[in-house]
Amino acid sequence: DGGITQSPKYLFRKEGQNVTLSCEQNLNHDAMYWYRQDPGQGLRLIYYSQIVNDFQKGDIAEGYSVSREKKESFPLTVTSAQKNPTAFYLCASSNQGAREQYFGPGTRLTVT
Amino acid sequence: SQQGEEDPQALSIQEGENATMNCSYKTSINNLQWYRQNSGRGLVHLILIRSNEREKHSGRLRVTLDTSKKSSSLLITASRAADTASYFCATAAVTGTASKLTFGTGTRLQVTL
Repeated sequence: DGGITQSPKYLFRKEGQNVTLSCEQNLNHDAMYWYRQDPGQGLRLIYYSQIVNDFQKGDIAEGYSVSREKKESFPLTVTSAQKNPTAFYLCASSNQGAREQYFGPGTRLTVT
Repeated sequence: SQQGEEDPQALSIQEGENATMNCSYKTSINNLQWYRQNSGRGLVHLILIRSNEREKHSGRLRVTLDTSKKSSSLLITASRAADTASYFCATAAVTGTASKLTFGTGTRLQVTL
């Protein structure tokens, strides 16, 4: 899991509530990413950030928001507009110029 | 969208045997990477092969890339029970300082004693 922490490991919320997932890295990486994984599926990119105060939408950004106020932190908010939020969320980071990504342990979000 | 398609979806072998997984993709790539995921955990990077490379080795891992066929294979030799995991290929497009990865659906490998 490298130097990336995600908290909490499990998160339960009621439908209609916003929820924020934490992601912190101490690898001094410029780029950070959020992915969503559904059962038996690969990962889909939600948002990514190349530098502080900058971020871009991935393939499935609708219903999600992010911020990048510090290099080390890239929190993801799952809003009530996300129609199917129950999933496993993974945060990753990569070094500038390098290509491999380092992943956190993930947060499993259940919305009922 | 998921670019990679992996084959087989599931593979069960005995310890000591070799495991081969295949990945096909659709568009031009900068590089292709393989990751491993143990159940309920984050992904771990295994190996990266650039678009101008054809074969790469790392320990018991051997990766090939055929850009003309838009396909890659991962071979794990002399498998161990600890190799039981899901394996994903991911194609990379570089955007500024970020590396956008598009993941396949994965191969679930079960290695039995």
